[in-house]
Amino acid sequence: SQTIHQWPATLVQPVGSPLSLECTVEGTSNPNLYWYRQAAGRGLQLLFYSVGIGQISSEVPQNLSASRPQDRQFILSSKKLLLSDSGFYLCAWNGYNEQFFGPGTRLTVL
Amino acid sequence: AQSVAQPEDQVNVAEGNPLTVKCTYSVSGNPYLFWYVQYPNRGLQFLLKYITGDNLVKGSYGFEAEFNKSQTSFHLKKPSALVSDSALYFCAVRDSGSGGGADGLTFGKGTHLIIQP
Repeated sequence: SQTIHQWPATLVQPVGSPLSLECTVEGTSNPNLYWYRQAAGRGLQLLFYSVGIGQISSEVPQNLSASRPQDRQFILSSKKLLLSDSGFYLCAWNGYNEQFFGPGTRLTVL
Repeated sequence: AQSVAQPEDQVNVAEGNPLTVKCTYSVSGNPYLFWYVQYPNRGLQFLLKYITGDNLVKGSYGFEAEFNKSQTSFHLKKPSALVSDSALYFCAVRDSGSGGGADGLTFGKGTHLIIQP
């Protein structure tokens, strides 16, 4: 069966520091992968998606970037964090129609 | 463009009573519709989906949803609520004509469901 992992689970970072969040998927090959951000426990905003290695599409202009160095690895990064980057970050992959989500990373920028 | 509306920020239901969480959608083509549940500080769990076929879809934990094309709705229902059903519920949509999932899902803002003992 397919499994999706995210780490770290929680992260507290100062403003201006770099960021790297990792997502890996097991049990599937060539998945479509997604990064979402959820602010204040409410709606999800799609940040990036990837249909293959090295292929990244950005949905909204922002302080973040994404990379897909391997088929089942998706990384969310920032060179300098802003206060507004705080939130709950969710990675997802596409099943046949629905998406399946990882456990999420809670990022607090102070 | 596709969109989802969940008109209620919060729904309160007594344990044992039936519950309904409302969702309406807008897509240019045929919709693929989904419900997810989120517990505090957790990822989203898939509950059920409508792709085609019967308008009444049954999912996990006794939940079901009814697709109504004329009203562009996909309300989530359960005949008898449990306290453990208390969580944040998201409705999501994708246009069946969109590029095989590369476009992602469009989510509603979520509805807090509170089941009172």
